[in-house]
Amino acid sequence: DAGVIQSPRHEVTEMGQEVTLRCKPISGHDYLFWYRQTMMRGLELLIYFNNNVPIDDSGMPEDRFSAKMPNASFSTLKIQPSEPRDSAVYFCASSLTSSYNEQFFGPGTRLTVL
Amino acid sequence: DQQVKQNSPSLSVQEGRISILNCDYTNSMFDYFLWYKKYPAEGPTFLISISSIKDKNEDGRFTVFLNKSAKHLSLHIVPSQPGDSAVYFCAAKSSGDKLTFGTGTRLAVRP
Repeated sequence: DAGVIQSPRHEVTEMGQEVTLRCKPISGHDYLFWYRQTMMRGLELLIYFNNNVPIDDSGMPEDRFSAKMPNASFSTLKIQPSEPRDSAVYFCASSLTSSYNEQFFGPGTRLTVL
Repeated sequence: DQQVKQNSPSLSVQEGRISILNCDYTNSMFDYFLWYKKYPAEGPTFLISISSIKDKNEDGRFTVFLNKSAKHLSLHIVPSQPGDSAVYFCAAKSSGDKLTFGTGTRLAVRP
């Protein structure tokens, strides 16, 4: 298995632009998680899905952020409009169960908003 | 408000010696704690965990200690190896709640 796949690996955009981050979970995993890593706040869980349904989006910072999972093999995290403070590394993770011990993380997308 | 704190952003240790990474938390409702390891350009990987009913959990060279009265946990790596050089994140959760992570400690193990 190729593991969790994220694209793009790096994204540089200008303030105000729309950004879409993509994730392909490990086949057969029912749970998908989106995280954000910053120097100041460390890793933060933004949202997670179970069987393509959003379960907890309380970590989504504001309405500019939205996440979708149209099918079991694909998820997107969209920021519109983007702001410089959104600059961070965004990780996607998937797991068979809700257990945090068993999450597999992707390599992350480094987002820079100028 | 940072509920999980890793006050040492970096740590350097000689190969073969013990590495001790520390983590403090403020939420007394946390009952499960985890450590993750992260190499550059990779996602974090789960390392070891401990439930609040225990005060120690060991897995090979890695041991996590929990002091509930002090709201403190630590990760011990003995002996340290150059391959252990990575960023280590502490995380905590309460029942039914999501994980809260610390900001990470960068460990460098010198050959």
